[in-house]
Amino acid sequence: QVQLVEYGGGVVQPGTSLRLSCTASGFTFSNFAMYWVRQAPGRGLEWVAIIWYDGSNKYYADSVKGRFTISRDNAKNTVYLQMNSLRAEDTAVYYCARASPSLAAGDWGQGTSVSVSS
Amino acid sequence: EIVLTQSPDTLSLSPGERVILSCRASQSLNSNSLAWYQQRPGQAPRLLIYGASSRVTGIPDRFSGSGSGTDFTLTISRLEPEDFAVYYCQQYGSSRTFTSGTFGGGTKVEIK
Repeated sequence: QVQLVEYGGGVVQPGTSLRLSCTASGFTFSNFAMYWVRQAPGRGLEWVAIIWYDGSNKYYADSVKGRFTISRDNAKNTVYLQMNSLRAEDTAVYYCARASPSLAAGDWGQGTSVSVSS
Repeated sequence: EIVLTQSPDTLSLSPGERVILSCRASQSLNSNSLAWYQQRPGQAPRLLIYGASSRVTGIPDRFSGSGSGTDFTLTISRLEPEDFAVYYCQQYGSSRTFTSGTFGGGTKVEIK
């Protein structure tokens, strides 16, 4: 069964960096694109980034472009989100999700919480 | 970037009622690349519908999706107690046309 576990969240100060990881199991990780999606407290879902199954293509939301970098290590079944120059508005629960063949987000982790505060 | 507008923001309904949720895109979606998700309080989202009208395996058939171009709907034929949740639409393109994966603002379906 598909399992996605995110970790690396925490409380950080504005302007600092944090790297999130999401480890996958229960499927052939190298065959699937992967998403990061976030949800600010009491707010809706916001797409953050997606990376193709082989890492060849990466796309970002305008709100994080130039600050966040998505990457993956298929040998470790892990997708990463490097977050630099963090702002208060980046405070959210960050979910990783496996993209289905249609590219809809078919399976989700339980999320990791990031709080950016001075 | 494509913007998705969901309406209404909130619906107050009783179990057994029929629900129709709307999602409108700011431009026509390629290949009807539109998905619907359900999120219950304290839980991760769950994919219900992809490709505008294809139901995910295991999702009850009271959930159905329709639409094309810029106007899409999610219908719940008869509300069950577990269906009271927030519903989001998402556009995602295809592997050849993907540019963004934006979500709509969500519609909360609450118990009347």
